[in-house]
Amino acid sequence: SQKIEQNSEALNIQEGKTATLTCNYTNYSPAYLQWYRQDPGRGPVFLLLIRENEKEKRKERLKVTFDTTLKQSLFHITASQPADSATYLCALDSGGSYIPTFGRGTSLIVHP
Amino acid sequence: NAGVTQTPKFQVLKTGQSMTLQCAQDMNHNSMYWYRQDPGMGLRLIYYSASEGTTDKGEVPNGYNVSRLNKREFSLRLESAAPSQTSVYFCASRGDRGRNEQYFGPGTRLTVT
Repeated sequence: SQKIEQNSEALNIQEGKTATLTCNYTNYSPAYLQWYRQDPGRGPVFLLLIRENEKEKRKERLKVTFDTTLKQSLFHITASQPADSATYLCALDSGGSYIPTFGRGTSLIVHP
Repeated sequence: NAGVTQTPKFQVLKTGQSMTLQCAQDMNHNSMYWYRQDPGMGLRLIYYSASEGTTDKGEVPNGYNVSRLNKREFSLRLESAAPSQTSVYFCASRGDRGRNEQYFGPGTRLTVT
């Protein structure tokens, strides 16, 4: 069955460092992959989308990589700030139905 | 633009009671979705609607019904609430014309006792 894995343990880092979150998947051939941010008590907010034929995407301090051979996406936040503390969700979509499947998310805590 | 709005924000029901969760979007999106989010389970799709007049089951549809009233509104109904339906419910809509990201509402926190 299709499976998306995100680290269930919270990632704790110091302000100013680069945070790296991982999304692994199996039994899936996604056409594209998305990353969302979710703050407590709020709905997810879209951050970045990367397509299967793209290796890397950047937006300000955010960078996403997509390796379809390793079946993995890495999400980087450079120069992290306490305001970046949130849960980050990855979502995969095969492209045909536009119904993404979400991972369970990884909590990021940036310490001042 | 308000984006995606949901009502109510909080609700407590007794087992067997019914209620309807309302969702509306003002972005002229064709696709709308209902998810539930439980601790440790992530977002799970209940129902979705690819366009006005169509609805389809998602991963966990049992115990729910939906209505796509018009292009703006997509409601979720619990006919006979059960404690297992205690969860946070999110409505979402998706952009069209190649924009695949979803826009989520603020959620409804439902407790069934």
